[in-house]
Parts: sequence; structure tokens; C-alpha cells
Amino acid sequence: AQSVAQPEDQVNVAEGNPLTVKCTYSVSGNPYLFWYVQYPNRGLQFLLKYITGDNLVKGSYGFEAEFNKSQTSFHLKKPSALVSDSALYFCAVRDSESGGYQKVTFGTGTKLQVIP
Amino acid sequence: DTAVSQTPKYLVTQMGNDKSIKCEQNLGHDTMYWYKQDSKKFLKIMFSYNNKELIINETVPNRFSPKSPDKAHLNLHINSLELGDSAVYFCASRPQGSWEQYFGPGTRLTVT
Repeated sequence: AQSVAQPEDQVNVAEGNPLTVKCTYSVSGNPYLFWYVQYPNRGLQFLLKYITGDNLVKGSYGFEAEFNKSQTSFHLKKPSALVSDSALYFCAVRDSESGGYQKVTFGTGTKLQVIP
Repeated sequence: DTAVSQTPKYLVTQMGNDKSIKCEQNLGHDTMYWYKQDSKKFLKIMFSYNNKELIINETVPNRFSPKSPDKAHLNLHINSLELGDSAVYFCASRPQGSWEQYFGPGTRLTVT
């Protein structure tokens, strides 16, 4: 089965500092990877995806993610954190066993706290 | 506004009751989903419909029954509610050919 792991329940970073939210994956075949953000009391919002192509993927709100095949990682990054980036971040992977039905499996989430 | 909407936003009910949650999307998407997010924020898919046809049915108790009257609506009916059903339920939709899912604001269900 396809899965992603988010090893950190919470990440704290000072405003203005670079941030990284970690994600590792386990898939058979080519990985389709995604990041979503959930602000308090809101639904998830899509940030970015990696399907193929450049290992550095740019997304919404200044976020980017680096796909690393040898380390099976897909870490989310931002050069300078904002207090408004404080939220819950989910890594997700396509479930290739769902055939063409585009089911994704979400990680356990990482709470990002940006400290003013 | 174009969006995925859910009603109600909050639902408090007693064990044993039957309740429904409604979802509507006016984005013209073909595929819709129901997810359950538990108290630890774990998010799990429950069902998916494509053009009113059920295409994903995870291991969910048969007390949960989705219904899609048309491709813009996906409702979730829950019979004989149990304490463990307490969670936030999210509806989502996805356009054909895209991997991006658009989530509704969630329905917080509390079973007492």
C-alpha cells in the first residue's frame, strides 16, 4: 500500500526564518505527491503537487517542495515564514491501487507554529 | 461564490439517532468525496462518487450511506449514531483530469 509519513507532530519556527515540514513516502511505481494546508476550523487547501519533472515544485503562498527519490522524501519548504503560515500541513500520496479513481492517502499532519 | 459547501456546520445529537449531512459544489466537478477527520486530525477517505456513481467505498460501517442525486451533490446519511462517529466530516470535489481536491468547510458531528 502507498503511504506517507510525517515524522514531526509539530514544527516551531521564528517568523522570518526558513521553514521545513518533512514528509517521506513509500510507494510502488512512480510517486504522485501532494501537500495540503488546513487553517483552524477550515477545510484543506491544495498547495502543490509532484507528478513528474523538476524535483523542486513551486506552489501557493510562496511554498515549495523538494522531491528526493534517493531519500524518498518530499519536504515542504518556505524561505521566510510568516505568522499567517501557522496551520496544519498534510502530505499525501496517490493510491495507485485504486486504479484510475484518483484516491489519495493523507499523512498524519504536522502542526506548524510560526512564532512572532 | 463558487465553492464546496456543507450543511450543517455543527451537528450535536444523541446516540442511536439518524442524521444527514449535505454537500454541494458549484464548481462543475465530476468527482466528490467524503472524508472523516478524527480528534487527532487523522484524515481518512470514506466514499467517492464520479458522476453520481460510487467508485470508492472504504471499510466504513454500513450505517453510513452516501447518496448522490446529481453530480453537484453528495449527501451522507448516518444511521444509529455511535459515540465513535464524533468527528469532523469533510466533503471534497475534484475536476476531471486534475489531482487537486477542493474541500468544504467541514461538519463537526458530536454524538452524546
